[in-house]
Amino acid sequence: ILNVEQSPQSLHVQEGDSTNFTCSFPSSNFYALHWYRWETAKSPEALFVMTLNGDEKKKGRISATLNTKEGYSYLYIKGSQPEDSATYLCAPRNQAGTALIFGKGTTLSVSS
Amino acid sequence: DTAVSQTPKYLVTQMGNDKSIKCEQNLGHDTMYWYKQDSKKFLKIMFSYNNKELIINETVPNRFSPKSPDKAHLNLHINSLELGDSAVYFCASSHPPQVTEAFFGQGTRLTVV
Repeated sequence: ILNVEQSPQSLHVQEGDSTNFTCSFPSSNFYALHWYRWETAKSPEALFVMTLNGDEKKKGRISATLNTKEGYSYLYIKGSQPEDSATYLCAPRNQAGTALIFGKGTTLSVSS
Repeated sequence: DTAVSQTPKYLVTQMGNDKSIKCEQNLGHDTMYWYKQDSKKFLKIMFSYNNKELIINETVPNRFSPKSPDKAHLNLHINSLELGDSAVYFCASSHPPQVTEAFFGQGTRLTVV
């Protein structure tokens, strides 16, 4: 089981603030890194799948970067909106075909 | 058309009963999973299964067993239900070795009374 750390555990921001959080994982045998968004009472939905060191992915106001050499990924949200309130999960993979092992997540709350 | 569907969405049952949760995916994926959202709201892998291999998280009690009648289905059977089994259970599927995301069902909230 991969040791995945996400920080902070929770975060509260005001509408319009930009924010970011971290996913740390073992850098050895890295294969891929997944980010998911999980709203309360819903199922997790994929945001990004990243594989290459230096990868940067973007979807609207949300973007992510990846550093496989040092074992971390950042998720950024620009101009947070209340609908961004959710738990953001990361899951590194160390080989193809393995299940996603999720971190404990960062729970973001955005107030208007 | 739902990609990954679970039934039932809610299940209330008494301690000691045996119950099943069904999961079906229409994505043509060959690997399916069961996750449990624990009391701290964390998502933990229970099983990973394809037609060749079952990988079990060793912390899962053997009262829990996955059953796959075919590639599109992975049902979760739970024997002798205990109060602590109350949780939300999520089914998911993906298509390794491609590096694609996993798709999740809507979850089944199991309450043991």
